[in-house]
Amino acid sequence: RKEVEQDPGPFNVPEGATVAFNCTYSNSASQSFFWYRQDCRKEPKLLMSVYSSGNEDGRFTAQLNRASQYISLLIRDSKLSDSATYLCVVTSASGTYKYIFGTGTRLKVLA
Amino acid sequence: DADVTQTPRNRITKTGKRIMLECSQTKGHDRMYWYRQDPGLGLRLIYYSFDVKDINKGEISDGYSVSRQAQAKFSLSLESAIPNQTALYFCATSDPGRSPEKLFFGSGTQLSVL
Repeated sequence: RKEVEQDPGPFNVPEGATVAFNCTYSNSASQSFFWYRQDCRKEPKLLMSVYSSGNEDGRFTAQLNRASQYISLLIRDSKLSDSATYLCVVTSASGTYKYIFGTGTRLKVLA
Repeated sequence: DADVTQTPRNRITKTGKRIMLECSQTKGHDRMYWYRQDPGLGLRLIYYSFDVKDINKGEISDGYSVSRQAQAKFSLSLESAIPNQTALYFCATSDPGRSPEKLFFGSGTQLSVL
């Protein structure tokens, strides 16, 4: 089982739609959680950190469920510019490195 | 100006050649990382450095070496490039003094080994 798993998509949605992505992680002792956005052949950019209490940034809402070991990202009122790959990132509780990346979920917002 | 700068942006080389990818940062972060990204595999850690005197192997360090010349500079070398090292390479930094500790990436180097 992969340490961080995401549905690769693509999710094809019309403009204005609401879309949700989930990510599961295997290590219950993981400490920090993030969503990054990556455009094709570009560097990942931090979208938001994810907290147990849930957090919102404009049209984006992230949730963490530690009991079920999953993280979600909700995008409301999708824009064409939201088309990208969304990476779930989890920090390891111990070991030789800190950040574990999912393979990403690709979103296409259609006009 | 980019906070994390990678050079070159693109490189094509031949099997057996020695290649160096360079990374510099103006963020003042102690921690620096090298990742490679392959389609369908996500980002994988090659090497990381938590300060100038600290170098650690990541999950896929074979065939690579690094040098931390200063707090701001972290170079990745491919001693003898092979075709399966063709990938998109990213340098990243983080600041352990901030919580949660976020990763900041350079714009990447696309390396092709023929």
